[in-house]
Amino acid sequence: GENVEQHPSTLSVQEGDSAVIKCTYSDSASNYFPWYKQELGKGPQLIIDIRSNVGEKKDQRIAVTLNKTAKHFSLHITETQPEDSAVYFCAAVDQGAQKLVFGQGTRLTINP
Amino acid sequence: NAGVMQNPRHLVRRRGQEARLRCSPMKGHSHVYWYRQLPEEGLKFMVYLQKENIIDESGMPKERFSAEFPKEGPSILRIQQVVRGDSAAYFCASSTEREKLFFGSGTQLSVL
Repeated sequence: GENVEQHPSTLSVQEGDSAVIKCTYSDSASNYFPWYKQELGKGPQLIIDIRSNVGEKKDQRIAVTLNKTAKHFSLHITETQPEDSAVYFCAAVDQGAQKLVFGQGTRLTINP
Repeated sequence: NAGVMQNPRHLVRRRGQEARLRCSPMKGHSHVYWYRQLPEEGLKFMVYLQKENIIDESGMPKERFSAEFPKEGPSILRIQQVVRGDSAAYFCASSTEREKLFFGSGTQLSVL
């Protein structure tokens, strides 16, 4: 089945700087890659997703890139703000099992 | 349009008791997923259900755990004879297309 690895586990950046979180996946048949943001005491919230037929997708300050050959995808947050502080999870669809497999999460802290 | 509703938000049980966690999917969603999250860890898949059918229960322990999604009413995750190791946050998610999952706020189960 699918296996998703996520790095780094913690990330601290200055407000206004950019943050990048990287994930790798194992199943070359996976074709859908969402990113979730989880704030303390809340459920994960879908913030952006990408399908394997595109290499990049952008939504205001966040963007996701996908390299199918290398089987890795990344989340980029520009002009970070304090409210971006949260745990971020990447995921990939396990085609065979029809379920999302999550990475281990990255705790992002934005320092004012 | 209400989101995914989970209740209770917090559930305290003594060892040996039963825990029942409820999940009402978003309107129009026929796919329900249950995930478990331990502190400082990622989301671990437990079970995937459609109305009246269990599609994939590969992540659910064979004993004491069961799940259902009846024709009418919410999805139920049931844990019999709870043990301390069952303490975790349990998240339900729903979708229309098996990919774009929307999560509830979770149930925090504490076993004394």
